[in-house]
Amino acid sequence: ETGVTQSPTHLIKTRGQQVTLRCSSQSGHNTVSWYQQALGQGPQFIFQYYREEENGRGNFPPRFSGLQFPNYSSELNVNALELDDSALYLCASSLGGRETQYFGPGTRLLVL
Amino acid sequence: GENVEQHPSTLSVQEGDSAVIKCTYSDSASNYFPWYKQELGKGPQLIIDIRSNVGEKKDQRIAVTLNKTAKHFSLHITETQPEDSAVYFCAATNIQGAQKLVFGQGTRLTINP
Repeated sequence: ETGVTQSPTHLIKTRGQQVTLRCSSQSGHNTVSWYQQALGQGPQFIFQYYREEENGRGNFPPRFSGLQFPNYSSELNVNALELDDSALYLCASSLGGRETQYFGPGTRLLVL
Repeated sequence: GENVEQHPSTLSVQEGDSAVIKCTYSDSASNYFPWYKQELGKGPQLIIDIRSNVGEKKDQRIAVTLNKTAKHFSLHITETQPEDSAVYFCAATNIQGAQKLVFGQGTRLTINP
């Protein structure tokens, strides 16, 4: 059974740029949730995708957007990067939106 | 919306002793409470979870208790080992909707040999 994978592992961008982060869900899982974890804090929910549709969104601005593909992998896109977007971005997959979420290793984003 | 408070923020115990981490939640609709362990440079790893129809759950050295009336839940680790050193997060959600996990602030647990 393959676990949740994310790419890239690290990324450095400058303010105003755009970034795309990728996540492959665990085998058999059809739901992907994205979280932002600032240094020293708990993860904060960004949004969830279930069968290619957005299924809930946290308190993040529209410049945070996502996609889920037919193979259930997912992308997180962030436009107009701000310094405060520097964080660890985590994706978690689950079987259905109501089951246990399993996290990937995360992508560390640094905005300069 | 849901708010989860976690205490203590840091905890240091001697190897072999027990460690207890406590969380409180605000939303009475929350019915699923997972605990995650996060090691440096890694994503959170699920270690145990509990649903609201159960008051206690145990898995080897790890146990979780839930008091729905008081909106408290706790993680208990017995016979601690050096590899238990990590940051631990509690979380809460209502699994009837989109499973938006709301996390506590984390507890940095250090096991002293």
